Amino acid sequence: GAVVSQHPSWVICKSGTSVKIECRSLDFQATTMFWYRQFPKQSLMLMATSNEGSKATYEQGVEKDKFLINHASLTLSTLTVTSAHPEDSSFYICSAREIGFVETQYFGPGTRLLVL
Amino acid sequence: DAKTTQPPSMDCAEGRAANLPCNHSTISGNEYVYWYRQIHSQGPQYIIHGLKNNETNEMASLIITEDRKSSTLILPHATLRDTAVYYCIVRLNNDMRFGAGTRLTVKP
Repeated sequence: GAVVSQHPSWVICKSGTSVKIECRSLDFQATTMFWYRQFPKQSLMLMATSNEGSKATYEQGVEKDKFLINHASLTLSTLTVTSAHPEDSSFYICSAREIGFVETQYFGPGTRLLVL
Repeated sequence: DAKTTQPPSMDCAEGRAANLPCNHSTISGNEYVYWYRQIHSQGPQYIIHGLKNNETNEMASLIITEDRKSSTLILPHATLRDTAVYYCIVRLNNDMRFGAGTRLTVKP
């Protein structure tokens, strides 16, 4: 089956630093990848949609300059949380949609970010 | 995308069938019904999806009513490892948007 990986699985950083999270589709090519954020006891919230080779589309209320998304290849998208603050601490999850198969999205295992 | 309504929580005895309902009364003709689940601290796992016909795979069965306004996910023999939050999502071609889901607890 389609596998999506994320790295790192967890990260602790100091307030004010930047953190990069990688999302890879391991056995398929993905023109579109999605980034979600999940706070404790809440559902997943879509942050942005990224298409390979173009700028990401951000959901309302998500700061594009704070959450930088790069989708440079068909198998890799990165999310950089810039100048992280404690309120950015969350569970970040990516998903990918396989080329030609728009029906199903596959999700990564998530990255837990803790900002001190 | 059409909105969905699910009960916030359900319990099921181990070994019994778990039937998870979902209402999607505003679904349009071309929108699919998807089911994902999320086990604690993991990413969502795809379970099954369908358009009009009932579907079955190795994980579950999906029963969609004839008017498509509701559906039921069936886990035929629930195990303790099936304890998770189950999300019913209706979408056409764009992204997956998650509601609150149903927290299923399988009890011994």
